[in-house]
Amino acid sequence: EDKVVQSPLSLVVHEGDTVTLNCSYEVTNFRSLLWYKQEKKAPTFLFMLTSSGIEKKSGRLSSILDKKELFSILNITATQTGDSAVYLCAVRQTSGTYKYIFGTGTRLKVLA
Amino acid sequence: DAGVIQSPRHEVTEMGQEVTLRCKLISGHNSLFWYRQTMMRGLELLIYFNNNVPIDDSGMPEDRFSAKMPNASFSTLKIQPSEPRDSAVYFCASSLSRGNYGYTFGSGTRLTVV
Repeated sequence: EDKVVQSPLSLVVHEGDTVTLNCSYEVTNFRSLLWYKQEKKAPTFLFMLTSSGIEKKSGRLSSILDKKELFSILNITATQTGDSAVYLCAVRQTSGTYKYIFGTGTRLKVLA
Repeated sequence: DAGVIQSPRHEVTEMGQEVTLRCKLISGHNSLFWYRQTMMRGLELLIYFNNNVPIDDSGMPEDRFSAKMPNASFSTLKIQPSEPRDSAVYFCASSLSRGNYGYTFGSGTRLTVV
């Protein structure tokens, strides 16, 4: 069965800390992996990763994919209270399907 | 671009009643996805359409759930009869079929069945 597993399930840190969120997957015909940030409403897109070893970066956030070991990490440096959210990882398969398989998310809380 | 628009934002209904959730896609998108999100199970794909045609409805939990896409820009998800275990946030998302940048999600409908 295809699955996406995120860890930890939840995390509480203080402002300024660096966090690493993990996403591992067992998916046939992997095509791409996406990270989303979900605050109170809809998930918003952060990164899409298709190739191993190439870091994607946006401000204090960065992500990388390892297709050999079947995982991705999302790093957030110098965390701020505004980073508090649920971070979702999703994997897309090939074979003409457009659907993504989502992990259950990591709930991050950043304390002032 | 108004984004993906869902209505209603919140719905509280009694068990046994029919519930209809609505979604308007982003103009130009031709794939539509209905997801359900709960604390226990996270985001679950219910059904998705491409060019108005249902492609995969294997995630639809029971016959009580049905979805339609009567035109290229609009979809409904209906639950009849509703049950308390259907309480969740229901998201609609759309994408371009040839794109590869994930979905654009609507703001969701929070459904509570009492």
